[in-house]
Amino acid sequence: EVQLVESGGGLVQPGGSLRLSCAASGFTFSNSAMGWVRQAPGKGLMWVSAISDSGGDTYYADSVKGRFTISRDTSENTLFLHINSLRAEDTAVYYCAKRYNSLWYFDSWGQGTLVTVSS
Amino acid sequence: EIVLTQSPATLSLSPGERATLSCRASQDIIGYLAWYQQKPAQPPRLLIYDASNRASGIPARFSGSGSGTDFTLTISSLEPEDFAVYYCQQRRYWPITFGGGTRVEIK
Repeated sequence: EVQLVESGGGLVQPGGSLRLSCAASGFTFSNSAMGWVRQAPGKGLMWVSAISDSGGDTYYADSVKGRFTISRDTSENTLFLHINSLRAEDTAVYYCAKRYNSLWYFDSWGQGTLVTVSS
Repeated sequence: EIVLTQSPATLSLSPGERATLSCRASQDIIGYLAWYQQKPAQPPRLLIYDASNRASGIPARFSGSGSGTDFTLTISSLEPEDFAVYYCQQRRYWPITFGGGTRVEIK
């Protein structure tokens, strides 16, 4: 069974940084592209970032480019999202998700980790 | 950026009724569209991919259609567990984008 477990969220001041982690199990992590999708409280879904199975290709939403960095550690079966220069509008639940086969849809999701940006 | 516009924002129906949800893309995305279901305090679940293909384990009452800029998700007969929010998502162009969602509520 595929399991994705996010961690690392919390309350952070504007301008601060966080590192989100997503521990993956139940599938061959090294063969799977991954992504992050966030959801502000009471709002819809917004794709944030994605990374190829090799880690050689990364993609970002314009609103986070230059502030967020996606990476992966295949030896630890873990996906990361490094977030810098946090803004109030980054407040959201951040979901880790697995790409569906070779198609950029997401067929498995974690339960999410909440990031709150506030002074 | 591809903008996906979902309508209606809210659909009020009774169990057993047919639900028809729309997703319109700002440009031609061929058939590269998915539908997700999200229930409160849960992550989204993939229902349909590439416009009309059901994901694994998805009941046959869910069907998708469309191509180009206009897409439809149909739930043939609503079950109690189908009342939720539904999102469309395109993969034709980066950045990946989602629609704003349609809430299907019990009438």
